[in-house]
Amino acid sequence: DQQVKQNSPSLSVQEGRISILNCDYTNSMFDYFLWYKKYPAEGPTFLISISSIKDKNEDGRFTVFLNKSAKHLSLHIVPSQPGDSAVYFCAASARENRGSTLGRLYFGRGTQLTVWP
Amino acid sequence: DAMVIQNPRYQVTQFGKPVTLSCSQTLNHNVMYWYQQKSSQAPKLLFHYYDKDFNNEADTPDNFQSRRPNTSFCFLDIRSPGLGDAAMYLCATSNAHDPVSYEQYFGPGTRLTVT
Repeated sequence: DQQVKQNSPSLSVQEGRISILNCDYTNSMFDYFLWYKKYPAEGPTFLISISSIKDKNEDGRFTVFLNKSAKHLSLHIVPSQPGDSAVYFCAASARENRGSTLGRLYFGRGTQLTVWP
Repeated sequence: DAMVIQNPRYQVTQFGKPVTLSCSQTLNHNVMYWYQQKSSQAPKLLFHYYDKDFNNEADTPDNFQSRRPNTSFCFLDIRSPGLGDAAMYLCATSNAHDPVSYEQYFGPGTRLTVT
C-alpha cells in the first residue's frame, strides 16, 4: 500500500521556466516531508524538507509547499536549469516512528524531471 | 568528506549463489538502513539497525540477512538470490539523536544482476 504517491512519472520543462513536482500522501500521521534528488548511478541526495507546522519552505531556487488538508505537497524549481534533470523522490516521516526507533521514511516512486535548453 | 560508501557498485551473481553487499559510513550515525529499489519503483526498506538493534520489515524475505559488526559497517547478505532480487540496493544512515533533521544520507548504491 503506497502511502506516498507521485502520480507523474515524468515532467519535461524548458530551461528558465518553473518546474512543479507533486506528491500526495494518505497517512495523516506524517508530519515531516523531504524531497530527494537522484542522478543516474548515484544515491538519492537530500534537497529540501518541510515540517507540518509550516506550509512553505524556501531554499534558493527550490520551494516546497504543504497543504495538510489536501494531504498534498509540491516542489517548485524556479528557474529550472538543465542540471536539475534528475529523478525527484518525495518522502514522508511520522512522529510515531522517530525517537527510540528510527526516522523511517516512506518514499514515492519518483518523478523524472527533464529540463531542456 | 563524511560519506556513505557502498561496495561493489556493480555485482553480478548466479542464481542461488550467495552474495554480500557492503556499506560503510564516516558520518558516525547510529542508524543504518538497507533499501531495495527496482526500476520505476519507490525505495523499499528491507531492514535497519538502530545502534546494534536489528529491525526487520515484516515483508522482507528470509533470504535477506544483515550484519552490523560495528558503527561504521553494515552488510547485506542474500543467501540464495533469485531473478526477482535483481535491483539497486541502497544503504543509508541517519542520526537518530538529531532532534531537527530526519534526513537520511544515501550511498551510491550497488546494482545487483542475477544471471
